[in-house]
Amino acid sequence: DAGVTQSPTHLIKTRGQQVTLRCSPISGHKSVSWYQQVLGQGPQFIFQYYEKEERGRGNFPDRFSARQFPNYSSELNVNALLLGDSALYLCASSLGQTSTDTQYFGPGTRLTVL
Amino acid sequence: GQQLNQSPQSMFIQEGEDVSMNCTSSSIFNTWLWYKQDPGEGPVLLIALYKAGELTSNGRLTAQFGITRKDSFLNISASIPSDVGIYFCAGHPYGQNFVFGPGTRLSVLP
Repeated sequence: DAGVTQSPTHLIKTRGQQVTLRCSPISGHKSVSWYQQVLGQGPQFIFQYYEKEERGRGNFPDRFSARQFPNYSSELNVNALLLGDSALYLCASSLGQTSTDTQYFGPGTRLTVL
Repeated sequence: GQQLNQSPQSMFIQEGEDVSMNCTSSSIFNTWLWYKQDPGEGPVLLIALYKAGELTSNGRLTAQFGITRKDSFLNISASIPSDVGIYFCAGHPYGQNFVFGPGTRLSVLP
């Protein structure tokens, strides 16, 4: 079975631009979470979606938004990019949204903002 | 927000040695997970812990959920070169989303 997939693998943008990252969860998983991982740090939680509804939001500005589709895939959008948005963006899927639902990560999208 | 501390920050060991690392929190967690991340890849789940005092093994890896629910440790026995990477603990505070520690960077010398 395929694991969590993310696209694109790498992305280069300039300041002020907008970006959309995509994630497909493991088959049967209904929850998708997004994380930002800056070089040298652990992943930081951005959003969790379950059954197409936002179920959690981390401490990120409104420039960050996301949505989940009926097939449980998800998109993360970042507007008005800043240099500090350069990071590895990770998507994780889980069966449900409870604390016992283990999250499985995709390979990430490396975003570079110039 | 929740803070997790991991120690050591980095470690250099000889191949064949055992490794021990831990993770502590100022808050109570009801789930602990240990992940390994290789360069340029996403974290891979190693062990998941759900009960205080739980001791779980996965091959050469052993992890325990601390009795106080505020800590966890991971041991690796007989280290091999492919153990190189960054090890993250992730705690799940009750009713909240996962919080990751800053990671322990492991280097294995031949």
